[in-house]
Amino acid sequence: SAVISQKPSRDICQRGTSLTIQCQVDSQVTMMFWYRQQPGQSLTLIATANQGSEATYESGFVIDKFPISRPNLTFSTLTVSNMSPEDSSIYLCSVVGDRSFGEQYFGPGTRLTVT
Amino acid sequence: GIQVEQSPPDLILQEGANSTLRCNFSDSVNNLQWFHQNPWGQLINLFYIPSGTKQNGRLSATTVATERYSLLYISSSQTTDSGVYFCAVGGWEYGNKLVFGAGTILRVKS
Repeated sequence: SAVISQKPSRDICQRGTSLTIQCQVDSQVTMMFWYRQQPGQSLTLIATANQGSEATYESGFVIDKFPISRPNLTFSTLTVSNMSPEDSSIYLCSVVGDRSFGEQYFGPGTRLTVT
Repeated sequence: GIQVEQSPPDLILQEGANSTLRCNFSDSVNNLQWFHQNPWGQLINLFYIPSGTKQNGRLSATTVATERYSLLYISSSQTTDSGVYFCAVGGWEYGNKLVFGAGTILRVKS
């Protein structure tokens, strides 16, 4: 399995500001994903973070709102831009280990509250 | 896209009781995972089980891929089993993306 850390673990932000969330993995992985979990809801995929190219976004998510970087095979960032209270959620990164035969592992999540 | 349905949505158990959680999915997949989300939001991997049966202590899971369902069994439940249980499906042909069910909220009372 992979060991994944996220920073920050939680934050309270003012509307209109931006927050960048970091995801660090203890080994090189090809596939990284970002998910959102709104309060009381299930997880929804935001985008696939591709190393060396632009992220691939799911329907309903756009790059201007959720820019993603993937500078190398162990690190990625997700920025939540121009935040509104509706962005209050848990944001989780996940990876598919290159030797895990498709099993996906999740970071501990970043709990974001927008006031 | 793939649809994932979990049942029941809520479950309250007395400590020591057994339970079965179900996950139905609408298309062929080659990845199915069960997760437990604890009260702090952490997703714990329980099983990676695209087919067959696996057991880990008091938990076991069975996936019948041809009939597009999976079952998670919890025996002799403990209060620490409380939380939300998610089923998620995906596979290579979907770019390894996972589609999550709505979850089952389990409360185990002492």
